Amino acid sequence: RKEVEQDPGPFNVPEGATVAFNCTYSNSASQSFFWYRQDCRKEPKLLMSVYSSGNEDGRFTAQLNRASQYISLLIRDSKLSDSATYLCVGGTGGFKTIFGAGTRLFVKA
Amino acid sequence: DAEITQSPRHKITETGRQVTLACHQTWNHNNMFWYRQDLGHGLRLIHYSYGVHDTNKGEVSDGYSVSRSNTEDLPLTLESAASSQTSVYFCASSAGTGKGQPQHFGDGTRLSIL
Repeated sequence: RKEVEQDPGPFNVPEGATVAFNCTYSNSASQSFFWYRQDCRKEPKLLMSVYSSGNEDGRFTAQLNRASQYISLLIRDSKLSDSATYLCVGGTGGFKTIFGAGTRLFVKA
Repeated sequence: DAEITQSPRHKITETGRQVTLACHQTWNHNNMFWYRQDLGHGLRLIHYSYGVHDTNKGEVSDGYSVSRSNTEDLPLTLESAASSQTSVYFCASSAGTGKGQPQHFGDGTRLSIL
């Protein structure tokens, strides 16, 4: 079993839709969680950190469920520009930061 | 603004040749990482460093080496390039090993080995 697992998708949604991704992690000692966004043929870019109490940044909401060992990303009012691959990241820091393989999102007009 | 830069952006070489990919960061981060990214595998850690003169093997280190002579640079060397090493390579850095320290990535190097 991979340490961090994501549904690869693709998720195809219309503009304005709400879409949610889940990501599970296997190491119960994991402390650091992030969501990254990666555009085609580009580098991963930090989207947001995930805090225990949940956090929001504009249209994006991240949540952590330690009991079930998953994190989630909710995107409201999807834009065409949200089309990308979203990487879930978990771990205990440093080299023990594990990246998921990513979930592809296509937002269509 | 602080940044992390990789060079070259693209390279084509032949099997058996030695290849060095450069990574330079101006964040003054102690931690630096090299990943490769292939379809179906996501990001895989090759080598990492927690500071000057510190280097460690990652998940897929065979055939690769790194050296850390200063804070800013972590060059990645393919000793004898193999076609299986054709990939996109990303360098990253972070401020520390503790909780809440995200990694920042360079633009990547697309390496093709013929």
